[in-house]
Amino acid sequence: NAGVMQNPRHLVRRRGQEARLRCSPMKGHSHVYWYRQLPEEGLKFMVYLQKENIIDESGMPKERFSAEFPKEGPSILRIQQVVRGDSAAYFCASSPPAQGRHTGELFFGEGSRLTVL
Amino acid sequence: GQQVMQIPQYQHVQEGEDFTTYCNSSTTLSNIQWYKQRPGGHPVFLIQLVKSGEVKKQKRLTFQFGEAKKNSSLHITATQTTDVGTYFCAGTSGNTPLVFGKGTRLSVIA
Repeated sequence: NAGVMQNPRHLVRRRGQEARLRCSPMKGHSHVYWYRQLPEEGLKFMVYLQKENIIDESGMPKERFSAEFPKEGPSILRIQQVVRGDSAAYFCASSPPAQGRHTGELFFGEGSRLTVL
Repeated sequence: GQQVMQIPQYQHVQEGEDFTTYCNSSTTLSNIQWYKQRPGGHPVFLIQLVKSGEVKKQKRLTFQFGEAKKNSSLHITATQTTDVGTYFCAGTSGNTPLVFGKGTRLSVIA
């Protein structure tokens, strides 16, 4: 059973470009979370999605950031017009449908490390 | 909003010494989780505590949840080099997203 798959593992973008990060949850999992981690910091919640639904986006910046989890295919975190401050590790986590919202173990992917030049 | 504080930020120990990290929340939690992240790696779930005063053990690791459900601790007995990494606590008040502390980075000197 493959774990949470994230790609790309490393992404370099110049200021003003777009970054697209993809996440495929574990098989059987229908809940996806995105977290951002700055160096020496904890993980900051960004967004919580189920298939075709954004459940909680209270941690998402109001501009330039968007997320989706379509019926088919991976969840995508999209950052438009990137700035240097967007440089961070972006982790995706998934959980099974039986778990309550925001309870239970999160299974993390290996992260996508974005560097903005 | 809810805040989760962890101390210490760093801890250097000799192999064989004990290690403890403490976690405090600004609000009462419905549950608290602990994760371990190795350098360059991703967070890996260790445990979840739900009940007031709960204590759980995993081999050399002991986890506690305070009576008021606002604090927690992780204690490692007789550290080994494999224990190296950053230990995060993460809490939720129910329908709020998991809030992570900044972590305690453990170094073990052989």
